[in-house]
Amino acid sequence: KQEVTQIPAALSVPEGENLVLNCSFTDSAIYNLQWFRQDPGKGLTSLLLIQSSQREQTSGRLNASLDKSSGRSTLYIAASQPGDSATYLCAVRLDNYGQNFVFGPGTRLSVLP
Amino acid sequence: EAGVAQSPRYKIIEKRQSVAFWCNPISGHATLYWYQQILGQGPKLLIQFQNNGVVDDSQLPKDRFSAERLKGVDSTLKIQPAKLEDSAVYLCASRVLRGTGNTIYFGEGSWLTVV
Repeated sequence: KQEVTQIPAALSVPEGENLVLNCSFTDSAIYNLQWFRQDPGKGLTSLLLIQSSQREQTSGRLNASLDKSSGRSTLYIAASQPGDSATYLCAVRLDNYGQNFVFGPGTRLSVLP
Repeated sequence: EAGVAQSPRYKIIEKRQSVAFWCNPISGHATLYWYQQILGQGPKLLIQFQNNGVVDDSQLPKDRFSAERLKGVDSTLKIQPAKLEDSAVYLCASRVLRGTGNTIYFGEGSWLTVV
């Protein structure tokens, strides 16, 4: 059974810092991995999607990497801003007929001005 | 392009009562998901539809939860009777079709409190 964990559970940093969020999954047979952002009281917004054959994806100040063989992904946020404060969740899409997404519990990020 | 619409946004009910949530996915999206997100946890899949057929409902507590997508567009999730542990956010999501690379879009969720 695929399990997804995220470390740390919460993170507080001063504005301007570069930071790394970690995601681990137990079964490397994934189709793709996706990073989401969730603001309080809101749904999830997709940030980056990495196919299983890719190593990384970039969008603006965000860079996500994938090491499928070791079951890890990282989300790198450069020059953090208070507007980046949110919960960040990773999800793996399983390589099976159901095409289900299995989510991690998220990392709650606070960027202090 | 309109996003995934959900209603009601908030609902408070007593245990043993019933509740229904409605979802309208993005136009043209064949795949629809219902997720349950308990506070402090990631979303957990309840049921996945492909058009009006069920693809995966293995984690749906079928003794109290039911869902339908009769015409392959809108969907309804029902809980009857509700328990205290059903307090959560119910997220609806949709995707264009099966295959690689298609991102998943979420609604803002329906927040349920069972007292």
